[in-house]
Amino acid sequence: GESVGLHLPTLSVQEGDNSIINCAYSNSASDYFIWYKQESGKGPQFIIDIRSNMDKRQGQRVTVLLNKTVKHLSLQIAATQPGDSAVYFCAEILSGGYNKLIFGAGTRLAVHP
Amino acid sequence: DAGVTQSPTHLIKTRGQQVTLRCSPKSGHDTVSWYQQALGQGPQFIFQYYEEEERQRGNFPDRFSGHQFPNYSSELNVNALLLGDSALYLCASSSDPVHMYFGPGTRLTVT
Repeated sequence: GESVGLHLPTLSVQEGDNSIINCAYSNSASDYFIWYKQESGKGPQFIIDIRSNMDKRQGQRVTVLLNKTVKHLSLQIAATQPGDSAVYFCAEILSGGYNKLIFGAGTRLAVHP
Repeated sequence: DAGVTQSPTHLIKTRGQQVTLRCSPKSGHDTVSWYQQALGQGPQFIFQYYEEEERQRGNFPDRFSGHQFPNYSSELNVNALLLGDSALYLCASSSDPVHMYFGPGTRLTVT
């Protein structure tokens, strides 16, 4: 299949380690922030979202942190597995922008055994 | 539930031609959005359909048009194709303002 993110920054981790993927955003009027995972040959897959009035949200093996002061978003993946290898995108939804996702630059996560 | 489906999977067209891409949303979803993803970049919002009307539009020329049918399926049409239109075209459906489900995309190559 086609390659997603040929020239994107890459984060390399060992299987079992924790991964932290970072994202900077510029809009101050965002209601939601969302992380997507995109594997080669597939469309983006929803991972987790966080509302702008929250600082932290946890899911299964994932945690999203939002720092509105410095406009920074991070995705933490616990006990990273080979199946986590993919390109990860952060996206935001502006106030009133129903379903209109504004994607940031992606990061490729490479998990090594 | 088949999820979001798109057709065709791959398509090769010549500059100046017209193309139509199709999308069937996830069952129960009434909103369909289209995105263009160039190689190595994040998806860019083209437009969104709800109740058979274009509700929002991104910064794309009017060569890009669409349609939503009563069964919520949708088409994306691109006229007068340019080399720069080569990309992965993604369809996403939703039933609430936040959670979008993407299809596998259609890879369009313009030669």
